[in-house]
Amino acid sequence: GAVVSQHPSRVICKSGTSVKIECRSLDFQATTMFWYRQFPKQSLMLMATSNEGSKATYEQGVEKDKFLINHASLTLSTLTVTSAHPEDSSFYICSAIRQLYGYTFGSGTRLTVV
Amino acid sequence: ELKVEQNPLFLSMQEGKNYTIYCNYSTTSDRLYWYRQDPGKSLESLFVLLSNGAVKQEGRLMASLDTKARLSTLHITAAVHDLSATYFCAVVKEYGNKLVFGAGTILRVKS
Repeated sequence: GAVVSQHPSRVICKSGTSVKIECRSLDFQATTMFWYRQFPKQSLMLMATSNEGSKATYEQGVEKDKFLINHASLTLSTLTVTSAHPEDSSFYICSAIRQLYGYTFGSGTRLTVV
Repeated sequence: ELKVEQNPLFLSMQEGKNYTIYCNYSTTSDRLYWYRQDPGKSLESLFVLLSNGAVKQEGRLMASLDTKARLSTLHITAAVHDLSATYFCAVVKEYGNKLVFGAGTILRVKS
């Protein structure tokens, strides 16, 4: 199969702190991973495309200095929400492409900033 | 810019009834996907449609693709309560790899 593991599943942090979310491909190498954000009762919005060994590509309107993406290996991409504020509270989902399997999604991370 | 429109956004139906969810997209696409999302959960893959006229069925769900009309449908047959969820279509732009999602259809099947 094509399994993507995402951690943590739920995190509560104080305003002004940073939070790191990990996305791992467990049984395949993922040169490209995607990060999405989903607000309640809304669709998934692509934030950025994470490329192994190079800089991430951010979608228009997404602050690259606030949402730091690192894809240092073929099986791990991380999203760090820096100086989090309550408006960053959301459901964050990662995804990776595996040939023949299509897109595989992580289980998501519920971030609450208090 | 690729845009994906999905309707209806909310669908309340009785058990045993049939209904169709529609997904229109604005530019040529390589692939179209249908996903299911339960509350608080991530996405579950339902179907991938690759070519014009493609039809796939799994249980009470059937998806089809008309690339000329840039339209996909997700047909629900004899709905049951367990089908209650949010359904998304998502499209990949031709020669690209980014998924663009529709707004989602919240389906509630009433007993």
